[in-house]
Amino acid sequence: AQKVTQAQTEISVVEKEDVTLDCVYETRDTTYYLFWYKQPPSGELVFLIRRNSFDEQNEISGRYSWNFQKSTSSFNFTITASQVVDSAVYFCALSGEQGAQKLVFGQGTRLTINP
Amino acid sequence: DTGVSQDPRHKITKRGQNVTFRCDPISEHNRLYWYRQTLGQGPEFLTYFQNEAQLEKSRLLSDRFSAERPKGSFSTLEIQRTEQGDSAMYLCASSSTFGQGVTGELFFGEGSRLTVL
Repeated sequence: AQKVTQAQTEISVVEKEDVTLDCVYETRDTTYYLFWYKQPPSGELVFLIRRNSFDEQNEISGRYSWNFQKSTSSFNFTITASQVVDSAVYFCALSGEQGAQKLVFGQGTRLTINP
Repeated sequence: DTGVSQDPRHKITKRGQNVTFRCDPISEHNRLYWYRQTLGQGPEFLTYFQNEAQLEKSRLLSDRFSAERPKGSFSTLEIQRTEQGDSAMYLCASSSTFGQGVTGELFFGEGSRLTVL
C-alpha cells in the first residue's frame, strides 16, 4: 500500500526565515510520482511540483526548492526567505505507476509565516 | 479558462436528507476526480472518470454515494441518507491525458463543504 507521512503538523516561523517541510513516502511501485500542493485558506489545492521516481535531480523555482532522495524515501520542500503569503497548508502526495488519477496525500503541514 | 468550479460551496443539511454536488471541470480535460477532505486531514480519493466512464471507485464510496458524468463534461456527486460522518469538504479535480500525459497535474476546485446536523 502507498503511504505519505508528513510528520510536522504545524510550523510557525518569522518572515524571511527559511523553512523545510518534510515528506516521507512508502510504495512498492518502481515507477511513481511525487507531488506538492498548497492549500490556502480559500480551500483550492494549488499544484506546486511533480517529480517522477527516475528523476532525483533537485529542483529550484524562485524561493522554492525540492530535495528528492530515493535512498531515504523523502521528498522535502524548502521555502527560502519566507513571506506571509506563503502561509497555507502544504500537502505532499504520491501516485503509482498508473499515474495521477489516484493521489495518496499526506496529512498536511500547516505553515504560518508571522510578520 | 475559468478553472474547475463546484456548486454549492457550502451545504448544511439534516441527517437523512439527500444532497447533490456539481463539478464543472476545465473544458478540455477528459478526466474528472472526486476527493473528500475532513478537517485536519489530506484529501482522500473517492472516484474518477475518463470522459463519461467511471473507471475506479474507492472503498470509501459506500452505496449511499453515487457519481455520474453523463456527457463527459460536468459531474454530480450525490449522497443519499446523509450521516454526520459525511461532513467534509468534497473536492473535484480535472486533468488531461493529452499533452502532459497521465502524470499531469490535477487542477482542483475550491470544494463543496458539507455539514450534516
